[in-house]
Amino acid sequence: EAEVAQSPRYKITEKSQAVAFWCDPISGHATLYWYRQILGQGPELLVQFQDESVVDDSQLPKDRFSAERLKGVDSTLKIQPAELGDSAMYLCASSLGPSIFSYEQYFGPGTRLTVT
Amino acid sequence: GEDVEQSLFLSVREGDSSVINCTYTDSSSTYLYWYKQEPGAGLQLLTYIFSNMDMKQDQRLTVLLNKKDKHLSLRIADTQTGDSAIYFCAENPPVYNQGGKLIFGQGTELSVKP
Repeated sequence: EAEVAQSPRYKITEKSQAVAFWCDPISGHATLYWYRQILGQGPELLVQFQDESVVDDSQLPKDRFSAERLKGVDSTLKIQPAELGDSAMYLCASSLGPSIFSYEQYFGPGTRLTVT
Repeated sequence: GEDVEQSLFLSVREGDSSVINCTYTDSSSTYLYWYKQEPGAGLQLLTYIFSNMDMKQDQRLTVLLNKKDKHLSLRIADTQTGDSAIYFCAENPPVYNQGGKLIFGQGTELSVKP
């Protein structure tokens, strides 16, 4: 069964360091999402890609976060510099396409980030 | 506002039915979803319901939708210890770009006691 892959699964970093997460969506899925889930809360969207283009990054803290999906397949989310408040689970999800014709989002296992 | 609301905890006995409730915000949301998250894991899509439906049944899961009250519920029949997890409801308001963004509730932690 096809799955969304993420790495690393766990990351511990010191504040002010740079950190990067990688996501490989289900093959053929044009839409890719990065969510952040703070402990005890539901996920919140950080950025949404349609192929290689960003379609929603309104909640991405652009002073320190960046995301790319250069060839419209896998994606990298970077934080530089990391802050203590960035400690969270970072979830990647993918779907066939946008809007009501591709309503099922499939999530990866997530990357648990701890900033010390 | 954008708050999807859920009660935080539910405890049931094995074999009983569980009912998890959710109130969403946007009556024009096309789909409403239920996801399950086990400790340390990602989210697993359990089921979804299209907004023009009142009910959807899928094996032990029954979803009820009351659009007038913007209320969604998930019933799990014959609850098992393996159902212990956090359950999230989510909506996708079409006001967001291309309708892809999901708004999640804070999750209901279901505890199943043997």
